[in-house]
Amino acid sequence: SQTIHQWPATLVQPVGSPLSLECTVEGTSNPNLYWYRQAAGRGLQLLFYSVGIGQISSEVPQNLSASRPQDRQFILSSKKLLLSDSGFYLCAWRERQGGYTFGSGTRLTVV
Amino acid sequence: AQSVTQLDSHVSVSEGTPVLLRCNYSSSYSPSLFWYVQHPNKGLQLLLKYTSAATLVKGINGFEAEFKKSETSFHLTKPSAHMSDAAEYFCVVISGWGRRALTFGSGTRLQVQP
Repeated sequence: SQTIHQWPATLVQPVGSPLSLECTVEGTSNPNLYWYRQAAGRGLQLLFYSVGIGQISSEVPQNLSASRPQDRQFILSSKKLLLSDSGFYLCAWRERQGGYTFGSGTRLTVV
Repeated sequence: AQSVTQLDSHVSVSEGTPVLLRCNYSSSYSPSLFWYVQHPNKGLQLLLKYTSAATLVKGINGFEAEFKKSETSFHLTKPSAHMSDAAEYFCVVISGWGRRALTFGSGTRLQVQP
């Protein structure tokens, strides 16, 4: 079966510290992968999109970056976190049938 | 281009009464429409989806939604609310395969009063 794993579930980090969130997919190959962020009281905003290893599209200019070192691994990073980076981060995989499967999410609080 | 509007940011109902969460969309192409639920500190869970088959779609936990093309609506309903239904609900449009294929509504927070 196809599953998507995302960790950690919650994270509290000080301003200026680095960030690394990881997402892995099982049961499929060459998936389209996405990172979304949900700020408080808002819907999800697309941050990054990847169609393959080393291929990253950035949707909005920001303090974050993404990498795809392996086919089924997608990493969201920051060198120095800002307060405005707080939010709920979701990794997603686009299914061949057209729907999306989401990870369980990471709630990041920058203090 | 596509967009999704969830008409209510908050809805409060009493346990045992009907639930109606409203969603209107616009899309240049025939869209697929979804409802997702997010419980506190949890990820997104698919409730139901419409992909151009039957216009009345049944989902999990007694929820259903009706696709009305003439009204460009996809409202979510449940005959009788349960306390466990308290969560945030997102209406989602998927149109095409580009990176902007997925569009989320801003969400509706459902409160269920005892």
